[in-house]
Amino acid sequence: QKEVEQDPGPLSVPEGAIVSLNCTYSNSAFQYFMWYRQYSRKGPELLMYTYSSGNKEDGRFTAQVDKSSKYISLFIRDSQPSDSATYLCAASGGGADGLTFGKGTHLIIQP
Amino acid sequence: NAGVTQTPKFQVLKTGQSMTLQCAQDMNHNSMYWYRQDPGMGLRLIYYSASEGTTDKGEVPNGYNVSRLNKREFSLRLESAAPSQTSVYFCASSNYRNTEAFFGQGTRLTVV
Repeated sequence: QKEVEQDPGPLSVPEGAIVSLNCTYSNSAFQYFMWYRQYSRKGPELLMYTYSSGNKEDGRFTAQVDKSSKYISLFIRDSQPSDSATYLCAASGGGADGLTFGKGTHLIIQP
Repeated sequence: NAGVTQTPKFQVLKTGQSMTLQCAQDMNHNSMYWYRQDPGMGLRLIYYSASEGTTDKGEVPNGYNVSRLNKREFSLRLESAAPSQTSVYFCASSNYRNTEAFFGQGTRLTVV
């Protein structure tokens, strides 16, 4: 079992809807949690990261971490067709030994 | 600002051939990484370099070698390519604590 689990989707929602993307993790040593967006045939692009539990907001995006339940969420408000991509969650213990990624969720925003 | 630059972008190899994937970053990051991405498997760490002069194995190091040439450059070498190494390879660099890792555009490698 991977240390970070993520439903691969696809998740299809109409334009303007609120999107909820979720991951769970099993390693209690993880302290930093990231969300990446990856368009087809491109490299992953960092959207935001959070430290420990709590929320972080950046424009239409909100990241949420609940360490007690080992649950990571990304909310996208007022979703746009340009948000259609694969979203990857990742976690780190804060060292330099790389990130542990979920498999990614393919999101489709229907115009 | 180039960020992380990978070369080549595409490559086709025959089984048994060797090649080196190049990566350079201009963000003055200490840490650099090589990942591979396969359908249904997500991104998996091959090797990493926490700082200039050090390298360590990741999750899937077999069949690969790396060189941290200097602070900017980190190369990945396939000595004898196998079809199982057909994948998309991503180089990344990050700041201290690995909270902001930036990725290159990837190298699509096919081994036939």
